[in-house]
Amino acid sequence: DQQVKQNSPSLSVQEGRISILNCDYTNSMFDYFLWYKKYPAEGPTFLISISSIKDKNEDGRFTVFLNKSAKHLSLHIVPSQPGDSAVYFCAASAGGSNYKLTFGKGTLLTVNP
Amino acid sequence: EAGVAQSPRYKIIEKRQSVAFWCNPISGHATLYWYQQILGQGPKLLIQFQNNGVVDDSQLPKDRFSAERLKGVDSTLKIQPAKLEDSAVYLCASSLVGFPGELFFGEGSRLTVL
Repeated sequence: DQQVKQNSPSLSVQEGRISILNCDYTNSMFDYFLWYKKYPAEGPTFLISISSIKDKNEDGRFTVFLNKSAKHLSLHIVPSQPGDSAVYFCAASAGGSNYKLTFGKGTLLTVNP
Repeated sequence: EAGVAQSPRYKIIEKRQSVAFWCNPISGHATLYWYQQILGQGPKLLIQFQNNGVVDDSQLPKDRFSAERLKGVDSTLKIQPAKLEDSAVYLCASSLVGFPGELFFGEGSRLTVL
């Protein structure tokens, strides 16, 4: 049972344009959502997060939107740069004392110069 | 600040052999995690420690996998005997106690079981 779904295995965009990565979840107990970025042969690195009490969080070129009624979140990257090319993982936590993260399968973003 | 250290980076073994992975978390991080990432999948939590106690090991195949975190600092994950389906990257991560979800990952240990 996959509780965090990233239905697009890959996405290709032109440099300077917007990248939109999508994520859906099924567990209504999730109350904290994160995006991680992963380059080949490296561990994932934290990118941005959002609490369920918000619907938007922005950090520079990165914005995460949360639609709780649709159980959907998205990551917008504007403008996209070639260095953004990586695998992006959506993750969710049900809170509590251990903050266990459940990850999606990831989306490979390629930004073409 | 030093990051999460893992070793070895790569390991190739025959099925039924054993293997051990080591992790040293970021100094001051009380919570340590071991994740398994199979090719094409997202990381899956195997075990979570807080200090030297186990918080969650519900997805750890306990018949073959074991992990310990002596003295609440570094940790070892062992697989014995290994199966073909254990081929994966084993990621160690750490976090501050009580901080919701932001994990700091090591570079991972890639295991190939032949």
